[in-house]
Amino acid sequence: AQSVAQPEDQVNVAEGNPLTVKCTYSVSGNPYLFWYVQYPNRGLQFLLKYITGDNLVKGSYGFEAEFNKSQTSFHLKKPSALVSDSALYFCAVRAPNTGFQKLVFGTGTRLLVSP
Amino acid sequence: DVKVTQSSRYLVKRTGEKVFLECVQDMDHENMFWYRQDPGLGLRLIYFSYDVKMKEKGDIPEGYSVSREKKERFSLILESASTNQTSMYLCASSLRGGMNTEAFFGQGTRLTVV
Repeated sequence: AQSVAQPEDQVNVAEGNPLTVKCTYSVSGNPYLFWYVQYPNRGLQFLLKYITGDNLVKGSYGFEAEFNKSQTSFHLKKPSALVSDSALYFCAVRAPNTGFQKLVFGTGTRLLVSP
Repeated sequence: DVKVTQSSRYLVKRTGEKVFLECVQDMDHENMFWYRQDPGLGLRLIYFSYDVKMKEKGDIPEGYSVSREKKERFSLILESASTNQTSMYLCASSLRGGMNTEAFFGQGTRLTVV
């Protein structure tokens, strides 16, 4: 069965500092990996994805993520955090060889960027 | 601009009522999903549909059913609403395969069952 773990409920960072939100996954075969962001009382917005190719992927709003197959991780990063980055972040995985391409989410990490 | 639209932002229903949550997408996506979101539990898949009239159970289908009569519309039905179904419900759609398989989400429906 496929699963995603986000080990931190909350990450606190000062504006201007680099940020990392952690994600590890468990899936058979080669995963498709995604990051989404959710602002208060809103749906999820797609940030970036890893399907194949370069392990470092770049996405919206200056975010990037690094796929590490040996550590089964897909951590979200940004070189310089903004207060407006404060939101709830979800990692998700899809195993292409599953019967109906089930998209499985982690429990979410709340990012709080202080001025 | 891609769009997934859920019919209501907020709903308040009574225990035992039959509740319909509607979702429409304009991207011609094959896949559509219903999730519920609860604090500390993330998003849990209720049902999935990969084509018209086709459906698959997700992780928590009990107490729910779905309908997909047209490609663009996916309905979630609570047969007899209960207080433990109070939650945020999120609809999503995606292409079935290829590189562009990210899911697009609606704005969510916050359902309160009293």
